[in-house]
Amino acid sequence: QSMLTQPPSVSGAPGQRVTISCTGTSSNIGAGFDVLWYQQLPGTAPKLLIYGNTQRPSGVPDRFSGSKSGTSASLAIAGLQAEDEADYYCQTYGSSVTGSRVFGTGTKVTVL
Amino acid sequence: QVQLVQSGAEVKKPGASVKVSCKSSGYTFTGQYIHWVRQAPGQGLEWMGWINPKSGGTNYAQKFQGRVNMTGDTSISTAYMELSSLKSDDTAVYYCARDFGYYGLDVWGQGTTVTVSS
Repeated sequence: QSMLTQPPSVSGAPGQRVTISCTGTSSNIGAGFDVLWYQQLPGTAPKLLIYGNTQRPSGVPDRFSGSKSGTSASLAIAGLQAEDEADYYCQTYGSSVTGSRVFGTGTKVTVL
Repeated sequence: QVQLVQSGAEVKKPGASVKVSCKSSGYTFTGQYIHWVRQAPGQGLEWMGWINPKSGGTNYAQKFQGRVNMTGDTSISTAYMELSSLKSDDTAVYYCARDFGYYGLDVWGQGTTVTVSS
């Protein structure tokens, strides 16, 4: 299964907007599968941030937004805050038959 | 509240097996699949497979087929992941996560560190 490609790192000053890309293929994102995003703070388990490409679970600030187009997806963080410094992973499906999952390579967000 | 609580850290020798448990509470255990995901030190997330606790059906990532066995005990609402023929590069934190369908892997265990060393 192909992994999803993300930039290793992005950074921004407090209050700025940053965007993380997630590039897949015609076999996963391009096949119409939903994209999800997870936030992993240092030393903790991942936390669901976005599901269904654009939807936020209850409790996730609206500073976080997701989008999808073609074989790629993006996560935007507006009004960057110190507590947003974390690793972010995109995830999609490898097969509708088996329900396999595919994770992105991960992006470290640094707040300057 | 919905929780997944995993077993404690393990240290194993190469060639041995490890079995990690994941106890659920706060929801109907047989209602949602459980996935296992691992993370090697300083690396990203790697999907290993899932188990349907109701039927016992499983699906494993090709990389782990033949070496992983995921099971569940509905009487105690606990899922298990057993990995055999351990190698040093199996050293990782292993997570279980609840699959809430369209809503994604919405609840995660705290992680279990498995160290493989001679």
